[in-house]
Amino acid sequence: KAGVTQTPRYLIKTRGQQVTLSCSPISGHRSVSWYQQTPGQGLQFLFEYFSETQRNKGNFPGRFSGRQFSNSRSEMNVSTLELGDSALYLCASSSIGLAGLETQYFGPGTRLLVL
Amino acid sequence: AQSVTQLGSHVSVSEGALVLLRCNYSSSVPPYLFWYVQYPNQGLQLLLKYTSAATLVKGINGFEAEFKKSETSFHLTKPSAHMSDAAEYFCAVTFTGNQFYFGTGTSLTVIP
Repeated sequence: KAGVTQTPRYLIKTRGQQVTLSCSPISGHRSVSWYQQTPGQGLQFLFEYFSETQRNKGNFPGRFSGRQFSNSRSEMNVSTLELGDSALYLCASSSIGLAGLETQYFGPGTRLLVL
Repeated sequence: AQSVTQLGSHVSVSEGALVLLRCNYSSSVPPYLFWYVQYPNQGLQLLLKYTSAATLVKGINGFEAEFKKSETSFHLTKPSAHMSDAAEYFCAVTFTGNQFYFGTGTSLTVIP
């Protein structure tokens, strides 16, 4: 059974640009959640999608958005990039979702560097 | 406020010694607690989780954790450290299932 995959693995952008990250969950999983990891702020929850609907959202500005497709793949978009958006972005999938307190399986992450 | 706190950002132990990584939570409702490990340049891997079924939880790689409500703690232990245990460890909590909150992490170094 394939794990959670994230593409691209590494990305370099400049301030003001936008970026789209992709996450493919484990087959059969309907929940995808996104996290930002930085040295200063640690791990922070961004949002969760379940069956194409955003169910939960963390405390991030509107520049951070996402969506989920009918095949459960999810994309995260960050517009008007700032230097502080440089981070490792992790996604996780689960069969039921956070509400079911189900085990999450994490992808390897996308490392974004904003110059 | 509901949160989780990891005491000690860096812990060093000798190979074969006891590993103890501390995690405390604050909550007005029953928490559900998790320990994750992150190896260099990798994503998170679940070690174990507490969901109220049993207070002593056994996980992978010989790790276990005990939920102590009176102490609001969920410390991670392993009787004998191995070199391969060197990694970053995160305690996490969810209360309502709406969000996950992570601790700041503890970097474990194993000294040969």
